[in-house]
Amino acid sequence: DGGITQSPKYLFRKEGQNVTLSCEQNLNHDAMYWYRQDPGQGLRLIYYSQIVNDFQKGDIAEGYSVSREKKESFPLTVTSAQKNPTAFYLCASSIRAGYYNEQFFGPGTRLTVL
Amino acid sequence: AQSVTQLDSQVPVFEEAPVELRCNYSSSVSVYLFWYVQYPNQGLQLLLKYLSGSTLVESINGFEAEFNKSQTSFHLRKPSVHISDTAEYFCAVSETLGRLYFGRGTQLTVWP
Repeated sequence: DGGITQSPKYLFRKEGQNVTLSCEQNLNHDAMYWYRQDPGQGLRLIYYSQIVNDFQKGDIAEGYSVSREKKESFPLTVTSAQKNPTAFYLCASSIRAGYYNEQFFGPGTRLTVL
Repeated sequence: AQSVTQLDSQVPVFEEAPVELRCNYSSSVSVYLFWYVQYPNQGLQLLLKYLSGSTLVESINGFEAEFNKSQTSFHLRKPSVHISDTAEYFCAVSETLGRLYFGRGTQLTVWP
């Protein structure tokens, strides 16, 4: 089955530690995205990548970093500089970056920083 | 940048009643509009989308949405809801480069 996988589903970390969230897709999509979801806030874009080895900051990139070394993978690192990292993180992909292309979402990772 | 407003954060309804979830966006230039649904602790699933053509679009599970350019709205409706429709619904607007701008979501709760 084609789709997007995110692992783990639940993640706990101590304050001050960096943590990397995994996102893998086997849809052969060019574009990938990371969103953060907080209750009542909707989804906010962290980073997006239109093609391998290229990515752009979204609206709330501070305290996060990404890489796009392979087409199918777009890991997100939540660094210790992120002041309030506890949230639900969603990864998405689309065939290519274009306004007519719908985005497909993974199941999400819930990060809790203690 | 686009701004998407979902006017109601919570919509409680009884089973088999009609429902409307409201969505307004900020720009009147050409846009592409989406409704996504999210069940608890899951990712988002596309419910329906407006790209061009007929202003009324339908989903396979009975929802429909109408694109109104003059009012910059894309309200979601269903004539008769089921308990299984209980979920959070997000309206989204797309610009170039594939960026989606999301509303804050509307929690639809269907009571028996």
